[in-house]
Amino acid sequence: AQTVTQSQPEMSVQEAETVTLSCTYDTSESDYYLFWYKQPPSRQMILVIRQEAYKQQNATENRFSVNFQKAAKSFSLKISDSQLGDAAMYFCAYTSPLGGADGLTFGKGTHLIIQP
Amino acid sequence: SAVISQKPSRDICQRGTSLTIQCQVDSQVTMMFWYRQQPGQSLTLIATANQGSEATYESGFVIDKFPISRPNLTFSTLTVSNMSPEDSSIYLCSTGRDRYNEQFFGPGTRLTVL
Repeated sequence: AQTVTQSQPEMSVQEAETVTLSCTYDTSESDYYLFWYKQPPSRQMILVIRQEAYKQQNATENRFSVNFQKAAKSFSLKISDSQLGDAAMYFCAYTSPLGGADGLTFGKGTHLIIQP
Repeated sequence: SAVISQKPSRDICQRGTSLTIQCQVDSQVTMMFWYRQQPGQSLTLIATANQGSEATYESGFVIDKFPISRPNLTFSTLTVSNMSPEDSSIYLCSTGRDRYNEQFFGPGTRLTVL
């Protein structure tokens, strides 16, 4: 079974600074997808960024980028120019397109605090 | 992207009773998923619901406790049966994958069992 590990229960960063959230995963598959979801206090799960395992290029979405290290099974999220609205729980998630029926496997989450 | 609504948004229930949560999607989707998020915890997949077939449950979840219906391609329900305080959680539905394998989530139902 796949597992996703987020080793940082909480992170704090000053507004406008850069922060990196860590995620590692374990799988025996070669093709899969990785995601970072954001959950603000409203509870709505919001997709931040996705990465296809077959792509070597790291995904980027505006201020959000990932460092995907397939051999190390590492998938960290970098948030640049942190804003107060970035404060939320961040979940790393994994899914495999093989078989077609699997849902997402989530890490335990990292609570991101933005200091004004 | 898909827009998903859930009803109710929250409820407080007595132990031993049952609650049915509805999930409505604004487009047709083949697969829908139900997740549980216990207080301060991550999301755990309960089951996968395909239209026209029985739901597939993850280890630790059984149909008698969490019966699921999927009558058409835009709607699903999850029932939490014979509730106990340990069932107090947020329950979220999500769509199956788009071409990027992305899942879209509903706003969740916050359930408190007394």
